[in-house]
Amino acid sequence: AQSVSQHNHHVILSEAASLELGCNYSYGGTVNLFWYVQYPGQHLQLLLKYFSGDPLVKGIKGFEAEFIKSKFSFNLRKPSVQWSDTAEYFCAVKKNQAGTALIFGKGTTLSVSS
Amino acid sequence: EAGVAQSPRYKIIEKRQSVAFWCNPISGHATLYWYQQILGQGPKLLIQFQNNGVVDDSQLPKDRFSAERLKGVDSTLKIQPAKLEDSAVYLCASSLEGGRGVVQYFGAGTRLSVL
Repeated sequence: AQSVSQHNHHVILSEAASLELGCNYSYGGTVNLFWYVQYPGQHLQLLLKYFSGDPLVKGIKGFEAEFIKSKFSFNLRKPSVQWSDTAEYFCAVKKNQAGTALIFGKGTTLSVSS
Repeated sequence: EAGVAQSPRYKIIEKRQSVAFWCNPISGHATLYWYQQILGQGPKLLIQFQNNGVVDDSQLPKDRFSAERLKGVDSTLKIQPAKLEDSAVYLCASSLEGGRGVVQYFGAGTRLSVL
């Protein structure tokens, strides 16, 4: 069965530190890849997505992610985090086929101290 | 543009009681999803509708969970009878269609506590 692994359960950083959150998936075919973010008390929001083309994708709020097909990875990065980035981050993967499910990782909680 | 609306936001019931959640997707979105998110886990798909037809309900515990989307717009998810392990956040999401390269938009969810 398809699965998504997020390596870090809880990450604690100081403001201005760099961030990288790991995400690996198990499906070998063509995939659609997503990072969603959930700020405290808010609903899940799309941070960025990859469907095809340039494997380096840029999202909102200065986030970017790189799709490395050979490593089945889609890691999320931000060069300098802010206190407002404190949130839970979910990686999600969907087979590039109609009617297939979006599979989520368990999430990574990011805490940024000012 | 209005987002995905869900109600209620919170619900507390005792085990063996029944409960229903309501979802109104983004206008024009043909595909609607219900997810269950248990504390410490990512959302897990329960059921996917395309208009008023079921596309995938393989993860729906059909002995106690049911869902409908009668007119292809609003949807209701019901649990009867509830068990302690059903305590979770129930998320509704919608997308323009359910094919390749689509983005799902999520509602705020209903937090269910079963005592």
